[in-house]
Amino acid sequence: SAVISQKPSRDICQRGTSLTIQCQVDSQVTMMFWYRQQPGQSLTLIATANQGSEATYESGFVIDKFPISRPNLTFSTLTVSNMSPEDSSIYLCSVLNMNTEAFFGQGTRLTVV
Amino acid sequence: AQRVTQPEKLLSVFKGAPVELKCNYSYSGSPELFWYVQYSRQRLQLLLRHISRESIKGFTADLNKGETSFHLKKPFAQEEDSAMYYCAPSNSGNTPLVFGKGTRLSVIA
Repeated sequence: SAVISQKPSRDICQRGTSLTIQCQVDSQVTMMFWYRQQPGQSLTLIATANQGSEATYESGFVIDKFPISRPNLTFSTLTVSNMSPEDSSIYLCSVLNMNTEAFFGQGTRLTVV
Repeated sequence: AQRVTQPEKLLSVFKGAPVELKCNYSYSGSPELFWYVQYSRQRLQLLLRHISRESIKGFTADLNKGETSFHLKKPFAQEEDSAMYYCAPSNSGNTPLVFGKGTRLSVIA
């Protein structure tokens, strides 16, 4: 299994500001994934973060809005830039183990006012 | 296009009644299928996967390749089964999961 620590667990931010979410895994993993879960919706993949290369973004998500860092095999950050109320959501990081089982952080509940 | 469909947004059943949460998928290749569950105030976690063919918490799911379905079933629902359930196919070990829209199961006492 993998234990993922994600912080902050929640935040309330002013529009136009940025928030960086951190994700720490207790083991080395090749890929880390960032998801968004808007109120009442399912999980939507934002990007895949690889160590040593740029993140791969899904359609509808861009690096300028959601810059990602992956400095080593156990850590990643996601920044939500120039926030607007539409960015209010739960943001989740996730990893896969060798058996393709996904593990998730507890999520960051972001409210933009 | 890769797609997974969970047609029911909300499913309410009485305690002790059978429950079936539907999942249909449209995927290239031979995906592996998963069900994930999120209980209130807990993080998302794996419930079961089709290759293990085991029963977890009384739940089973059979992969029907002809109908491209992976429905989750339990013969007798319990109140503690109330949660959000997500169906998720995956094509390979390093491919991120794509989730269905989820079904909220509410078991009524």
